[in-house]
Amino acid sequence: IAGITQAPTSQILAAGRRMTLRCTQDMRHNAMYWYRQDLGLGLRLIHYSNTAGTTGKGEVPDGYSVSRANTDDFPLTLASAVPSQTSVYFCASSSSDTDTQYFGPGTRLTVL
Amino acid sequence: GQNIDQPTEMTATEGAIVQINCTYQTSGFNGLFWYQQHAGEAPTFLSYNVLDGLEEKGRFSSFLSRSKGYSYLLLKELQMKDSASYLCAVLDSNYQLIWGAGTKLIIKP
Repeated sequence: IAGITQAPTSQILAAGRRMTLRCTQDMRHNAMYWYRQDLGLGLRLIHYSNTAGTTGKGEVPDGYSVSRANTDDFPLTLASAVPSQTSVYFCASSSSDTDTQYFGPGTRLTVL
Repeated sequence: GQNIDQPTEMTATEGAIVQINCTYQTSGFNGLFWYQQHAGEAPTFLSYNVLDGLEEKGRFSSFLSRSKGYSYLLLKELQMKDSASYLCAVLDSNYQLIWGAGTKLIIKP
């Protein structure tokens, strides 16, 4: 693989269910990010990780959790999904040399 | 609070030039980015400005004035494939990207 991959591409989920969105990068970037994108709003940061083993809260962290066990993977978990979490979720990464973020293809999540 | 403003939508003609403006008010400034996002796809990096002035990259140029909290993206010789949303983002004092809502650019033949 090259770049960032996300899985699944799309998902329809019943409210109350647990869901993990997967993100993997092979660029050896130290920093990774999770955003949600809703119509009419800018990208909003959910959680981030500056390096493996550390994570931080972004602008809209409630209802989401992340882990960063290694450099390549940065999964996002919704413990108990709610309809307001219906959105497109993007994972991104950046290296320590530049602050340019590179994005995965996104996961379109619908919570009913 | 932190704020990035850009027009919601713009229309231009194929072959013409268009300028997309972005104004910002953020806690600190460590650079400004422009990204392109086609419908249903991920944002892709276009340009980065940290010093005042114009950066040219092919048909696309980006300008920054830090004293005015202002940037613009200039697209020349517009092509139909340039129809997309253009996102302005500022790297704040915590090195977090603050994003504008994006400008949807519609190109007409």
